[in-house]
Amino acid sequence: EAQVTQNPRYLITVTGKKLTVTCSQNMNHEYMSWYRQDPGLGLRQIYYSMNVEVTDKGDVPEGYKVSRKEKRNFPLILESPSPNQTSLYFCASSQGNRNSPLHFGNGTRLTVT
Amino acid sequence: DAKTTQPPSMDCAEGRAANLPCNHSTISGNEYVYWYRQIHSQGPQYIIHGLKNNETNEMASLIITEDRKSSTLILPHATLRDTAVYYCIVRTTGTASKLTFGTGTRLQVTL
Repeated sequence: EAQVTQNPRYLITVTGKKLTVTCSQNMNHEYMSWYRQDPGLGLRQIYYSMNVEVTDKGDVPEGYKVSRKEKRNFPLILESPSPNQTSLYFCASSQGNRNSPLHFGNGTRLTVT
Repeated sequence: DAKTTQPPSMDCAEGRAANLPCNHSTISGNEYVYWYRQIHSQGPQYIIHGLKNNETNEMASLIITEDRKSSTLILPHATLRDTAVYYCIVRTTGTASKLTFGTGTRLQVTL
């Protein structure tokens, strides 16, 4: 089944403790992206990657890192999480052109205390 | 990015057609109209997209006006499971795959 898989689904951590949220897609998509969703602010793009070893900042990149060493994986790294990064995170992938839908994972709910 | 305007909420009786409108009066000639929905806090689900012509798939139909300044998503026979927030998005010509989500329409399907 074609899908975008994120792990974990839920994560509770403390301020400053490094964490990684994994994202994997099995559709051979070139494009991958991370979004966060917050009440009243909607979905905002954090980082995106047009292909392996090519990443770029989205609208809200501060406090996040990403890497794209393989086509299928696009982990989101929080080196020193803070409470304002408590949010619902979504990974997405697509073939990378305007005529190709973006497919989203089921989300990771992160709480930083 | 072309801005979209959607009503904040709509109701629909189960079994009836749900018609969700969207205005995108500043859309450019080569920008696509996409529709997604989000059920509770699940990941946004792709529904349909189009450029100029009307489109239909197993989930819905998309009607785009001739001047492309507005569109309507049609769920032909709404069920309770179609209760969700529906987002109309105009996909930019710049960063190829970025989607800018607005506030959407909360569709409530009732018995």
